[in-house]
Amino acid sequence: QLVLTQSPSASASLGASVKLTCTLSSGHSSYAIAWHQQQPEKGPRYLMKLNSDGSHSKGDGIPDRFSGSSSGAERYLTISSLQSEDEADYYCQTWGTGIHGVFGGGTKLTVL
Amino acid sequence: QVQLVQSGAEVKKPGASVKVSCKASGYTFTSYGISWVRQAPGQGLEWMGWISAYNGNTNYAQKLQGRVTMTTDTSTSTAYMELRSLRSDDTAVYYCARDKLRGRYFAKDAFDIWGQGTMVTVSS
Repeated sequence: QLVLTQSPSASASLGASVKLTCTLSSGHSSYAIAWHQQQPEKGPRYLMKLNSDGSHSKGDGIPDRFSGSSSGAERYLTISSLQSEDEADYYCQTWGTGIHGVFGGGTKLTVL
Repeated sequence: QVQLVQSGAEVKKPGASVKVSCKASGYTFTSYGISWVRQAPGQGLEWMGWISAYNGNTNYAQKLQGRVTMTTDTSTSTAYMELRSLRSDDTAVYYCARDKLRGRYFAKDAFDIWGQGTMVTVSS
């Protein structure tokens, strides 16, 4: 069964960098995922699609501070030069067999 | 610009039905699929199902089978999600999101545009 696992929380200081992780369940390490950001009291916003080889395509207007990378079954979102507006929930998402959407549980990022 | 605009908040009694709309603009409606995603208060995102705006093919999450119906009206570039036999645990914000088809086929592409969300409250 396809499952995406995310740590519930992460924190980093203003101006620093942080790396968030999304882990694909066994047997699904070749899957592409997408990262979405949800700021407090707002709807989700698409950040990027991330392939298993680490190549990624970002949504319109997404700053260069946001980047993605991959290693095995892990998909990463790195945010550099953290700003206060980066404090948000971050969700990874992919597609299972037969057109079935799957979300990770989300990571709440706190900017200190 | 490219956007999905959803209908307004709803308050329903248990056992009733709700129909939420999602109007697309700024792009070719039939070149995309539309997923519906919900978020209960304080919880994460839950995928509910998908519809092809090209031909109306649908795929629903197993837990909602029999209670949910997704449709599209290509003449108005609008997608609809109807949920029946509402329960208190259906209280959530409901979002629509689009993904690019490859020709007429599902392409496992990312949700690149989201609607603003519609709050549905189920309460007696």
